Amino acid sequence: DQQVKQNSPSLSVQEGRISILNCDYTNSMFDYFLWYKKYPAEGPTFLISISSIKDKNEDGRFTVFLNKSAKHLSLHIVPSQPGDSAVYFCAASESGSGGSNYKLTFGKGTLLTVNP
Amino acid sequence: ETGVTQSPTHLIKTRGQQVTLRCSSQSGHNTVSWYQQALGQGPQFIFQYYREEENGRGNFPPRFSGLQFPNYSSELNVNALELDDSALYLCASSLNTGTQYFGPGTRLLVL
Repeated sequence: DQQVKQNSPSLSVQEGRISILNCDYTNSMFDYFLWYKKYPAEGPTFLISISSIKDKNEDGRFTVFLNKSAKHLSLHIVPSQPGDSAVYFCAASESGSGGSNYKLTFGKGTLLTVNP
Repeated sequence: ETGVTQSPTHLIKTRGQQVTLRCSSQSGHNTVSWYQQALGQGPQFIFQYYREEENGRGNFPPRFSGLQFPNYSSELNVNALELDDSALYLCASSLNTGTQYFGPGTRLLVL
């Protein structure tokens, strides 16, 4: 039973355009969400996070949107660059269980390819 | 500032053997979490150690065990290896319940 779902295994965009990666969750107790990026032969790298008290968080080219009623979040990358090509993981946690970054539950990931 | 390091990078074992994986946490971090990432899947939480005590566990059998040392480094031990234990094992460190920073992982192959 997957509690965090990334339904698009892959996404291809042109350099300079917007990349939108989507994530859905089923556990209503999740209240903290994160995005990680992973290159081959490296561990996941933290990108950006959002608490359920917000609906948007921005950091440079990266923006995460949270729609609690739909149990949906998305990561927007604008403008996309070839160096953004990687696997992107959505993760969620229940802060009441021990803190906002306790026991992360991950989706299966989306492979983003940004073409020059 | 030194990041999270893991050793070894790759390991091949046979079914029934035991394995120990090691993790050095990022400087200043006191919490270590271990995850298993099977091929084509996202990382799955195994357990977390905070100040040398287990601070929560995922759905993994008791043959998966761990330790955290006074310098906050950690070990993951797996006994009686099974073929399905073949995976990338990721260690992440954090300061208390702050953002988790991952190491490069240890790729384990069980034959």
